[in-house]
Amino acid sequence: EVQLVESGGGLVQPGGSLTLSCAASGLSFSSYWMHWVRQVPGKGLVWLSRIIGDGSNIVYADSVKGRFTISRDNTKNTVYLQMNTLRAEDTAVYYCAGHRGGWSEDYWGQGTLVTVSS
Amino acid sequence: DVVMTQSPLSLPVTLGQPASISCRSSQSLLSSDGNTYLNWFLQRPGQSPRRLIYKVSNRGSGVPDRFSGSGSGTDFTLKISRVEAEDVGVYFCMQGTHWPYTFGQGTKLEIK
Repeated sequence: EVQLVESGGGLVQPGGSLTLSCAASGLSFSSYWMHWVRQVPGKGLVWLSRIIGDGSNIVYADSVKGRFTISRDNTKNTVYLQMNTLRAEDTAVYYCAGHRGGWSEDYWGQGTLVTVSS
Repeated sequence: DVVMTQSPLSLPVTLGQPASISCRSSQSLLSSDGNTYLNWFLQRPGQSPRRLIYKVSNRGSGVPDRFSGSGSGTDFTLKISRVEAEDVGVYFCMQGTHWPYTFGQGTKLEIK
């Protein structure tokens, strides 16, 4: 069974930092492009960042460019999202997702809640 | 960014009746590799998104055949031939051709 399990969410003060992890199991991790997507509860989905299988190509949405960093460790089957200079508007549920084969295969984690508040 | 516009945003449907959701993109989703990366997702309450359709019209593994997708270029449609109770939730279209990938606003399907 394929599982993506996010961790690292929680309460952080504005201006603070947090690193999310997403541990994958049951799949050939290095063949998947991995993504971070967030959703304010009750609102829509917003793509944040994507990293390809070998980590050689990374892209970010403008809203997080320069503040967030995606990375992956294929030896640990884990993708990370380091988040710096957090703002109240970064409060959301953060999902990791992986896909390959033109989206013929994709998997999503259960999400982890990040709350930015003083 | 490519803007994805869904309609309707709310869709009350009687059990057993068909349903249809439209999704329009602000740019063509035809990729340079010849594929059109338009996917449909269903997010049930309290759950992660689940992909139903990929590349416009391909049903994912385990997706019931009452779901079908069609369209090209900038105009796409998701159809449910006969709505069942488990189909309740929010449906999102998503484009994966242009970065950043973008989603539609979501269409909330409820049973009348």
